[in-house]
Amino acid sequence: DAKTTQPTSMDCAEGRAANLPCNHSTISGNEYVYWYRQIHSQGPQYIIHGLKNNETNEMASLIITEDRKSSTLILPHATLRDTAVYYCIVRVAYSGAGSYQLTFGKGTKLSVIP
Amino acid sequence: GAGVSQTPSNKVTEKGKYVELRCDPISGHTALYWYRQSLGQGPEFLIYFQGTGAADDSGLPNDRFFAVRPEGSVSTLKIQRTERGDSAVYLCASSSGIETEAFFGQGTRLTVV
Repeated sequence: DAKTTQPTSMDCAEGRAANLPCNHSTISGNEYVYWYRQIHSQGPQYIIHGLKNNETNEMASLIITEDRKSSTLILPHATLRDTAVYYCIVRVAYSGAGSYQLTFGKGTKLSVIP
Repeated sequence: GAGVSQTPSNKVTEKGKYVELRCDPISGHTALYWYRQSLGQGPEFLIYFQGTGAADDSGLPNDRFFAVRPEGSVSTLKIQRTERGDSAVYLCASSSGIETEAFFGQGTRLTVV
């Protein structure tokens, strides 16, 4: 899987939008961008994923640049409960052995400030 | 249950002892994964089951680690002759298919003293 680069930490004011960037400059055409988050002492939680189009669900929006070398996860109205480590993961569409694995980096620790 | 359940939530064992960690996946999920997370790091893949068989155990660090899923549901991760370096949170996840989202349990925190 392609390597991802994320800032180590970010702060966001409660109620404001949190924009978490991720660089994946070596992404291949058949690789998806996945986002998971991990709240302290819990297991990772799936947020959203996309291939090349922007995606939105009830939790967040995912904006992928046209060249697919970077993406941004947007939490539109951050709350204190959104404080967590956010992982950006590049994962190949299923094509055989190994493609189901999630390769986590160190992620971005987002702190939502009251 | 509604989610992935892991027991125990915490386990303290002495160096050299044998431990078993249990995972109850979401009912009906055929895919099951084990990950290990050391302090300050992201989770690392250990093993993947599709049904009863281990489809990929390439992440197991050595032959002291073994996992089973005899009936295609509950899985047990077994660690023999534990070492202090095995101390970590062991996470289990399940999914309804390979390409669908994985749901993680709360993890078992293993401490080897």
